[in-house]
Amino acid sequence: GIQVEQSPPDLILQEGANSTLRCNFSDSVNNLQWFHQNPWGQLINLFYIPSGTKQNGRLSATTVATERYSLLYISSSQTTDSGVYFCAVERNYGQNFVFGPGTRLSVLP
Amino acid sequence: EAQVTQNPRYLITVTGKKLTVTCSQNMNHEYMSWYRQDPGLGLRQIYYSMNVEVTDKGDVPEGYKVSRKEKRNFPLILESPSPNQTSLYFCASRFLAGQAYEQYFGPGTRLTVT
Repeated sequence: GIQVEQSPPDLILQEGANSTLRCNFSDSVNNLQWFHQNPWGQLINLFYIPSGTKQNGRLSATTVATERYSLLYISSSQTTDSGVYFCAVERNYGQNFVFGPGTRLSVLP
Repeated sequence: EAQVTQNPRYLITVTGKKLTVTCSQNMNHEYMSWYRQDPGLGLRQIYYSMNVEVTDKGDVPEGYKVSRKEKRNFPLILESPSPNQTSLYFCASRFLAGQAYEQYFGPGTRLTVT
């Protein structure tokens, strides 16, 4: 099956810093999403981005489908950005949705 | 408000006592699925359904059953729970075709089997 890797596994930042999280996947995909799991366990949709670039406030994401990776950018980080960031991919519509292991982000005041 | 709901949110039970975790969505999504999340193992898909009466196994289906008799509901059934099914469970839904394919997740059900 498809493999999903994320890096770095852990990241500690000072408030106000910028960061880039990476997701690599082993095969072509039709669906890629980024999620944020907050400290209370809720999974929050960030981006649906099988290809191209999207921005939402301080967050943006880019997926280069032909090279099988996606990047999540967080600018001017805030303590509320802390949590685990997951990317998840789907090889074909309706098939098994596979999550990466996540990047744990801690933003210090 | 568009949402996926799960009940119960927290459950402590004993080995062998059948239980059902309900999942309901109000977005008319065809596709629904269940995941479990365990430390060090991440989120893994248990079962998914592409429409009413259509279900299929994910990565870790052993010990679980599902049914999809109505489009909005997708209950997860543990016929004989065991301690290794202690986990955080998430239900999710999305459109299958003709729409954006974002998955929406429920708030999670934390299950402890003693």
